[in-house]
Amino acid sequence: DIQMTQSPSTLSASVGDRVTITCRASQSISVWLAWYQQKPGKAPKLLIYKASSLESGVPSRFSGSGSGTEFSLTISSLQPDDSATYYCQQYSGDSRMFGQGTKVEIK
Amino acid sequence: QLQLQESGPGLVKPSETLSLTCSVSGASITNNTSYWGWIRQSPGKGLEWIGNIFYSGSTYYNPSLRSRVVLSIDTSNSQFSLRVNSVTASDAAVYYCARQQAGYSFRDWGQGTLVTVSS
Repeated sequence: DIQMTQSPSTLSASVGDRVTITCRASQSISVWLAWYQQKPGKAPKLLIYKASSLESGVPSRFSGSGSGTEFSLTISSLQPDDSATYYCQQYSGDSRMFGQGTKVEIK
Repeated sequence: QLQLQESGPGLVKPSETLSLTCSVSGASITNNTSYWGWIRQSPGKGLEWIGNIFYSGSTYYNPSLRSRVVLSIDTSNSQFSLRVNSVTASDAAVYYCARQQAGYSFRDWGQGTLVTVSS
């Protein structure tokens, strides 16, 4: 099994801050990584696919990078609407495991 | 526009079988670039992938659930289904169905349905 490890589990930042979440795969997944945003009571929303491709309609302050086993999601200028939990997910091979999530709070 | 809608009992007794169906509209369930998946989320916890199914019937399961889970697909009715056998309290969760498009992972999601496990 490919396991995904996200860090940090929670982070608190101010509006306008640059925020980075990291995700590590237990083995190489090339670029087959997605990032999702989930708000309470809602289904997850795809933000980034193929490690760095921005889903249509997602604000450009979100960006993804990485390949192999190390990946990151960056919010260039944190906005109040970005308060949510973020998950990485690998889709290499037959499994689709998620990271444990990062809760982003606004100070 | 693709719509996914989960349906099924909201309450299941311990040791019994949980059965859910996802109805697909706005796109063909036989599209050869789409996989149909189930994901769950226990209260206050993270997302857990359960499994995917292709229109041909090929299935892919989370190894931790493989022994108790069965996915099936009904292309004539544009539905796919989940069955979880021998449920316990740890199977209580919001269950989501979703579409994975080749290269994109899970782009489209249902609204989710809450399943409680209690006698």
